[in-house]
Amino acid sequence: DAGVIQSPRHEVTEMGQEVTLRCKPISGHNSLFWYRQTMMRGLELLIYFNNNVPIDDSGMPEDRFSAKMPNASFSTLKIQPSEPRDSAVYFCASSPTGVQPQHFGDGTRLSIL
Amino acid sequence: DAKTTQPPSMDCAEGRAANLPCNHSTISGNEYVYWYRQIHSQGPQYIIHGLKNNETNEMASLIITEDRKSSTLILPHATLRDTAVYYCIVRSSLGGATNKLIFGTGTLLAVQP
Repeated sequence: DAGVIQSPRHEVTEMGQEVTLRCKPISGHNSLFWYRQTMMRGLELLIYFNNNVPIDDSGMPEDRFSAKMPNASFSTLKIQPSEPRDSAVYFCASSPTGVQPQHFGDGTRLSIL
Repeated sequence: DAKTTQPPSMDCAEGRAANLPCNHSTISGNEYVYWYRQIHSQGPQYIIHGLKNNETNEMASLIITEDRKSSTLILPHATLRDTAVYYCIVRSSLGGATNKLIFGTGTLLAVQP
């Protein structure tokens, strides 16, 4: 079975550029989560969707970050403009419902120069 | 803040049982105990979860004390591939924004040959 698919796996770009991270959840899963992982702060939840609707975006660091889920099979996390402190591994996860175990993708390793 | 306390690191000999402790003294009645692990350069992987009864699956066993203030994850026959950071997480079953997984710093389990 296909798991959560994230793209790209690695992204290197210069500060000020727009960055778009993509996620395809497991088919049939109604909940989708975006996390960020850094050495300093560990794994942090950024935003959580249920049935394509954002439920909790309190973890989104600032207005430069935005996330969308236009349909049940696709979500994007966008950073505009990007800054060096945004460098991290970004994970997407999905679950059948909000209360069931989450399944994570392999992440996107983002480096902002 | 994470609601769990785990030792930062543990060693285990290959083929022996690995017992990973977790304290969650402020757990409430509607909160489950979840365990995830993260192998280097991969996304977190769900292992097991429980409410008050002990649980077992193909990966591990979860022993929860009667007062639910602590638990132990048991890997019955650890292999080198079990070397990872193990996260113990307390999570509400109520739904909505309480579905967050709040990752602490976890326990780095090093399985030695």
